[in-house]
Amino acid sequence: DVKVTQSSRYLVKRTGEKVFLECVQDMDHENMFWYRQDPGLGLRLIYFSYDVKMKEKGDIPEGYSVSREKKERFSLILESASTNQTSMYLCASSSGGGYSGNTIYFGEGSWLTVV
Amino acid sequence: AQTVTQSQPEMSVQEAETVTLSCTYDTSESDYYLFWYKQPPSRQMILVIRQEAYKQQNATENRFSVNFQKAAKSFSLKISDSQLGDAAMYFCAYRRTNNDMRFGAGTRLTVKP
Repeated sequence: DVKVTQSSRYLVKRTGEKVFLECVQDMDHENMFWYRQDPGLGLRLIYFSYDVKMKEKGDIPEGYSVSREKKERFSLILESASTNQTSMYLCASSSGGGYSGNTIYFGEGSWLTVV
Repeated sequence: AQTVTQSQPEMSVQEAETVTLSCTYDTSESDYYLFWYKQPPSRQMILVIRQEAYKQQNATENRFSVNFQKAAKSFSLKISDSQLGDAAMYFCAYRRTNNDMRFGAGTRLTVKP
């Protein structure tokens, strides 16, 4: 079974703190994603990575950055957390090869509260 | 930009009955993929069913089937013989390229015993 593991399920951070959300997948997938999930808005793509050190901005990259130094690990960084970044964050991965029908596998999510 | 609309924020169904969740999408492309994902209360999203746009035949997976109407840009999910374990948030999604997966806002399905 594919496993996408997010290191923290629940976090509470203060405004202005730097926050790291870590994600590891064990299936040698080329593609990794960070989504944000908010009620009534569904999932919105923050960043996408298709290879080590490669990244593309999604729909809502402002206030976020990412790091992919190893193929299995994709980190989301909030440089200076703000209350409007309180949300559920979902990491996902899929195999690449240009086939857009590949299944995307999700982690369990990280609930972030910024106070 | 492609958008995905799920017009039913909440639905409920009696156990063993059938329910249909609606999804429409907007695209100018002819080749793409459509998905239904399920997110149970434990929060891990899992794939329910996938449809390739170039295939006219509707996809089925056991009790789950879709009604894909390409011209109408409609992609509904039918759950037959509903079970308590089907209770979850269901997301419709559209994908054209690897980095462009669009999700609807979701439909919360309640299954009544």
